[in-house]
Amino acid sequence: NAGVTQTPKFRILKIGQSMTLQCAQDMNHNYMYWYRQDPGMGLKLIYYSVGAGITDKGEVPNGYNVSRSTTEDFPLRLELAAPSQTSVYFCASSFRGASTEAFFGQGTRLTVV
Amino acid sequence: DAKTTQPNSMESNEEEPVHLPCNHSTISGTDYIHWYRQLPSQGPEYVIHGLTSNVNNRMASLAIAEDRKSSTLILHRATLRDAAVYYCILRDEDEKLTFGTGTRLTIIP
Repeated sequence: NAGVTQTPKFRILKIGQSMTLQCAQDMNHNYMYWYRQDPGMGLKLIYYSVGAGITDKGEVPNGYNVSRSTTEDFPLRLELAAPSQTSVYFCASSFRGASTEAFFGQGTRLTVV
Repeated sequence: DAKTTQPNSMESNEEEPVHLPCNHSTISGTDYIHWYRQLPSQGPEYVIHGLTSNVNNRMASLAIAEDRKSSTLILHRATLRDAAVYYCILRDEDEKLTFGTGTRLTIIP
């Protein structure tokens, strides 16, 4: 049982480049989330999805795009990388319901130079 | 989203109990109180959650005040592996998980 899998684990991007951070879960969860965590700070919600075809903005969506074409996958796209996007990115998933547990991936450490 | 307030940091001796407080004075009747922790260089992991009654599981206990405006996460016997940042989160009807800055717990050998 893999849980939430994020790829890649590490990436260095040049300013202006694009990339997609991959997230996949094998628990048939409805809800999926993308967070970023800057050094010494808490997690900030970028985007979330309550099911395939449905996405919504979180606290810090600017500079990012998402799509959810399947239940399992929730990729995060950076179109024009900026140094301010240097961060650790975490994907999470859960079943529907305020009492359910969320599962997190191990993170992608992104550096934009 | 309803907010929580936690101390920035706490220290505890190894093998002693640890009480991590959380204030959530604006909690609504349908908010669940969740606790997650983040070990160094890892993603957050679920610890425990509750609504009104105190809860116990293999990792910890959660004590919820009668008015629900505060709660306490209790680690019964802290080990070095419990050193982490602990987040108290209110999960509401729209079911987003909004993180604060958490409490950094240091365990002293």
